[in-house]
Amino acid sequence: QSVLTQPPSASGTPGQRVTISCSGSSSNIGNDNVYWYRQVPGTAPKLLIYKNIHRPSGVPDRFSGSKSGTSASLAISGLRPDDEADYYCVGWDAILSGYVFGSGTWVTVL
Amino acid sequence: EVQLVESGGDLVHPGGSLRLSCAASGFTVSNSWMHWVRQAPGKGLVWVARIADYGSRTDHAESVRGRFTISRDNAKNMVFLQMSLLRAEDTAVYYCVRDFGGGDDSWGQGTLVTVSS
Repeated sequence: QSVLTQPPSASGTPGQRVTISCSGSSSNIGNDNVYWYRQVPGTAPKLLIYKNIHRPSGVPDRFSGSKSGTSASLAISGLRPDDEADYYCVGWDAILSGYVFGSGTWVTVL
Repeated sequence: EVQLVESGGDLVHPGGSLRLSCAASGFTVSNSWMHWVRQAPGKGLVWVARIADYGSRTDHAESVRGRFTISRDNAKNMVFLQMSLLRAEDTAVYYCVRDFGGGDDSWGQGTLVTVSS
């Protein structure tokens, strides 16, 4: 069981907005930054959001992150077929003294 | 161009040992935090260990603490993961990562470790 809780799946039609939640606690999300990764099956993960809200260069502004208290969210707007992938949140846990990932959310584009 | 190439993955018996290597190019490992992240077949991502860009500070996940050790060879520009007392649940693809979660975040292609009798 993952320390950070994500819904196992999310879906939307092309052009829609999809939001993925990530729930943690005061020892992780409530205490430090959250990061979001996307992973297409069979490939290495790619960083989408760092330090809660920031996008690395090359990541389109269709992807946005937010954080409030012990929860964080990733929003994908203008959903595209190639957005089908697993999405993971991750953060540092002060009690475990390590990074903890969410269990991942598979996004389906209908 | 930044490149990370992992090697050393293999089939090993429970209780055995293995050393994974990560060869870096396009940057200097001594100037970056380096990490290992693993993914069991069909499962999610799990952070394993990190080594600081300065000195020799390391951190390891609770699940591998005391069994795995991350290290770095600055002269060879390589990072290693020494794994011992391997268990079936350590079976995974192991990724070498530069600057995890940072602006220079980069991942290798991964190397598969299978622990089975």
